[in-house]
Amino acid sequence: QVELQESGPGLVKPSETLSLTCDVSGYSISSGYYWNWIRQSPEKGLEWIGTNSLGGNSFYNPSLKSRASISVDSSNNQFSLRLTSVTAADTAVYYCARSIRPFNWFDPWGQGTLVTVSS
Amino acid sequence: NFMLTQTHSVSESPGKTVTISCTRSSGSIASNFVQWYQQRPGHSPTTVIYEDNRRPSGVPDRFSGSIVTSSNSASLTISGLKTEDEADYFCQSYDTTTAVFGGGTKLTVL
Repeated sequence: QVELQESGPGLVKPSETLSLTCDVSGYSISSGYYWNWIRQSPEKGLEWIGTNSLGGNSFYNPSLKSRASISVDSSNNQFSLRLTSVTAADTAVYYCARSIRPFNWFDPWGQGTLVTVSS
Repeated sequence: NFMLTQTHSVSESPGKTVTISCTRSSGSIASNFVQWYQQRPGHSPTTVIYEDNRRPSGVPDRFSGSIVTSSNSASLTISGLKTEDEADYFCQSYDTTTAVFGGGTKLTVL
């Protein structure tokens, strides 16, 4: 059974960089698939942030204006999100999720982690 | 990019059938697969329908999905409603550059 678990700081200051990690168990990242970050807030609902594969085939939501980057680490079977220059609008529950192809069918999802942007 | 529009809320009685719709603003709904996710309060989303009409293992056949090209929309139908079906339901699709989620429909079973 594939399981994903997010971790990282729950509080980030405005203008700083948000960094989160997703640990994958029950599946080897080296076997393939795409690794995604998705966030959810009352204001914007569910918002796909981006995806990357071990081979470096990455895509990002244009609305984030190149602030997001996702890296995949097969040696530790985890992947990470960096979101730069955060503002209060980036406050959300952040989920990691797997997909077979870019953009299509996110499953499973992690349990989510709340990140608040505040000074 | 396009948007996916869902009715904000719907309510129905146990045992009845409910249909939740998801309308694509531009581009053909049939061009890219549609997924449906269920999210119960305090939990992360789980898939009930993927690739328009396919059910993951473990999802009861009371859940079905379809595409309605005439209205450029997708539909999720839940028959034989149970109280445990009460949740938020989100549709999701994509184009060549991004994935898009609908705003969600809150299903109340009372």
